[in-house]
Amino acid sequence: AQSVTQPDIHITVSEGASLELRCNYSYGATPYLFWYVQSPGQGLQLLLKYFSGDTLVQGIKGFEAEFKRSQSSFNLRKPSVHWSDAAEYFCAVGSQGNLIFGKGTKLSVKP
Amino acid sequence: DTEVTQTPKHLVMGMTNKKSLKCEQHMGHRAMYWYKQKAKKPPELMFVYSYEKLSINESVPSRFSPECPNSSLLNLHLHALQPEDSALYLCASSPSRGRSTDTQYFGPGTRLTVL
Repeated sequence: AQSVTQPDIHITVSEGASLELRCNYSYGATPYLFWYVQSPGQGLQLLLKYFSGDTLVQGIKGFEAEFKRSQSSFNLRKPSVHWSDAAEYFCAVGSQGNLIFGKGTKLSVKP
Repeated sequence: DTEVTQTPKHLVMGMTNKKSLKCEQHMGHRAMYWYKQKAKKPPELMFVYSYEKLSINESVPSRFSPECPNSSLLNLHLHALQPEDSALYLCASSPSRGRSTDTQYFGPGTRLTVL
């Protein structure tokens, strides 16, 4: 069955520190992968997506993600976190028009 | 422009009320979605419209009634809701429907409270 796992429920990082959010997927065919961010009480904003080609994908707000087929992973990274990055982050895989979401990782940022 | 708008932003209603949520997009997208999101959970798909026709109804109770008057508008009519229906209701749209590469763009949501 198709699924997405985000192993970390909650991560706290200091402002200015680097960030990596983990995402693992289980999908039989070529995965089409997405990262969304949701600020409290807001909708989901698309950060980046991977369909094919270069396995390092650049997104908005200084985020990037790397697709590693051998590890079934699509981890999200940012070199220097800002306080405004505090939010919930969802990884998802596209499946025939539907999105299969992970349970999300909440990011807190310490001053 | 990748904007999906939703109104109202907040809605409080009693269990006997009838209300509607509205969603609009002007990106020329041909698929539109309703999701329900409870606190600390990912969104759950409720309905999908493709080319203004209902293509998916994820076993949602009949007290939720979707409507797609045209390709830019999506409504969700609410009647006789229960307190457990309180949630954030998200609308999304995508250029097409049925492909794994369909990218969905979400609106800001309507925070619904049922008393």
